[in-house]
Amino acid sequence: DGGITQSPKYLFRKEGQNVTLSCEQNLNHDAMYWYRQDPGQGLRLIYYSQIVNDFQKGDIAEGYSVSREKKESFPLTVTSAQKNPTAFYLCASTKGSIVQPQHFGDGTRLSIL
Amino acid sequence: AQKVTQAQTEISVVEKEDVTLDCVYETRDTTYYLFWYKQPPSGELVFLIRRNSFDEQNEISGRYSWNFQKSTSSFNFTITASQVVDSAVYFCALTYGREYGNKLVFGAGTILRVKS
Repeated sequence: DGGITQSPKYLFRKEGQNVTLSCEQNLNHDAMYWYRQDPGQGLRLIYYSQIVNDFQKGDIAEGYSVSREKKESFPLTVTSAQKNPTAFYLCASTKGSIVQPQHFGDGTRLSIL
Repeated sequence: AQKVTQAQTEISVVEKEDVTLDCVYETRDTTYYLFWYKQPPSGELVFLIRRNSFDEQNEISGRYSWNFQKSTSSFNFTITASQVVDSAVYFCALTYGREYGNKLVFGAGTILRVKS
């Protein structure tokens, strides 16, 4: 079955450490997205990519970085510059048309040790 | 700027009650799309419905129905005869025009608790 796989499900970060969250999709979707979810705040867009080797900052990109070397993969790195990284991170993808709904992965919960 | 407001933070109902989740949006675009997503305890968001700005027909899907009113910029979601499995967080979202890269702006979500 096609879908989006996020790993790991739970991740712990030490002070000063960069961590990378994985997102892989086999839906042949063109566009991919990373969202951050905090309690009571809904989802906020971190980065998005509409095609391979291209990505744009979302509303809260500071302290995060991404790459899009393959259509299927859109990893997110939470750098040490992100001072409040504890949150639930969701990856999504869509065919790229404004009409199509985004499909979401199961999420990664990141906590600070 | 685009904005979605879900004023109800949390709703608790008893099974078999009807419940309506409110969604009010702001946009300057003439073409836009609205979505509802369900987030069960497992965490992933599940797509429920999409509506474009030119289609104001209400929609019914089983126990779910949606009321889209451009005049009041609202896209409300009603669950009839609620069940415990409906317990989840529900998000309303608004998409930008294509020149903005098909992004979504989400409301804060409404937590629905259905008690047996």
